[in-house]
Order: sequence, then structure tokens, then C-alpha cells
Amino acid sequence: EAGVTQFPSHSVIEKGQTVTLRCDPISGHDNLYWYRRVMGKEIKFLLHFVKESKQDESGMPNNRFLAERTGGTYSTLKVQPAELEDSGVYFCASSQVDSKNIQYFGAGTRLSVL
Amino acid sequence: EDKVVQSPLSLVVHEGDTVTLNCSYEVTNFRSLLWYKQEKKAPTFLFMLTSSGIEKKSGRLSSILDKKELFSILNITATQTGDSAVYLCAVESGGSNYKLTFGKGTLLTVNP
Repeated sequence: EAGVTQFPSHSVIEKGQTVTLRCDPISGHDNLYWYRRVMGKEIKFLLHFVKESKQDESGMPNNRFLAERTGGTYSTLKVQPAELEDSGVYFCASSQVDSKNIQYFGAGTRLSVL
Repeated sequence: EDKVVQSPLSLVVHEGDTVTLNCSYEVTNFRSLLWYKQEKKAPTFLFMLTSSGIEKKSGRLSSILDKKELFSILNITATQTGDSAVYLCAVESGGSNYKLTFGKGTLLTVNP
């Protein structure tokens, strides 16, 4: 069974440009989460989808970040325009809707904004 | 604000040693505590703990939760070089969103 996959693994862009990150969850997982780790800090929650609906987006830094999950399968996270402080590793996780809710993580996308 | 603190931040041991990693937390509406191992890329799931005093075990790794004192430990016995990784502790808080609050992690290096 395929795990959570994220694309690209690394993206280098200039300040002011737009970047779109993609996450494919484990098949059948209705819960999908985005997290971010900036240098020297802990991994922090960004938002949570249940199928195509945003359940909680309290961790989104500002309105330059837009997450979508059309059709309830894969998700995209767009940063527009990117700023220097957006650099970090963006992780995606997915889980089944059950009592355990164990979140399984992807390898992350490293975003470098120059 | 929910908070998870791991200690030590870094640890260097020799193969065969036993290590104990610590995780303390302050969260509202605690649901569960999870341990992950992160080598190069994706954090991989190790344990989920929900009840106090019940040890979870997988091979040389074990973990236990104390909900009264708000901490958990992860033990690794007879360490091997393949145990070298960042070990992440995360707490799942209540409500309907199941979001995880992470500690900074403990970097474990096992030397031959």
C-alpha cells in the first residue's frame, strides 16, 4: 500500500513568486492535514480537511496560503506571493476516520524562498 | 496554548546502550500521545498512548504514559546504529480536528 506522497520534494523560489505543493494521502483516508516546520522550531499544524471540507484552518499563517482538496482526494497548498519566512518543510499527513486516528506522514516538501 | 517539551534535545550513545527519551506536555482536552521516528524523510509512527500506566512495546522500543504527571517516556534498549534518528513526541488534543502539537524532537545518535 502506498504511503502519503508529496510533490515536489524540494522547491526553490524567489520572494514574490508562487508555489504549489501537492499531497496524495493514503487511499481511503478521509482526514488530511498540513503541517510546517521552520528552521529550529517544532512541527506546527496548519489545517485539517475531512474529505473536501476544511475542518480547521486555525494554523494557517495568513491569507497568502490557500489549501484545497477538490473531490476529497489529493490536496494542494499554494503560497502566493511567497515571502522569506515561508521557508521550511511542509508535511502532509492522513488518517482514517476511526477511534484511533493515527496520522501517517509524507516525506515533506522543503521550500526555500530566496 | 498547547505545549510539548522533549528532553534531551540531543543524545549520543554507543551501540548496546539503553536510552530514555522524555516528553512532557500541557494541553487542553488531551486525547492521546504519539511517538514518531524521523530518519531522513517522513516521520514514521511508533506508538499511540491513551491510558496511564500501560506500557506499549515493539521489539527493543517501549513507551509509557503518565497522565497525572503529564509526561511520557520512550525507552530503547540495546541500541543499534539504525536507531539513529530524531524522535518526535506529539499530543493530540480534543475537539473534532485531531490536530497534533509536536515537541522539537530528540536527536539520537548511536555510534558503533
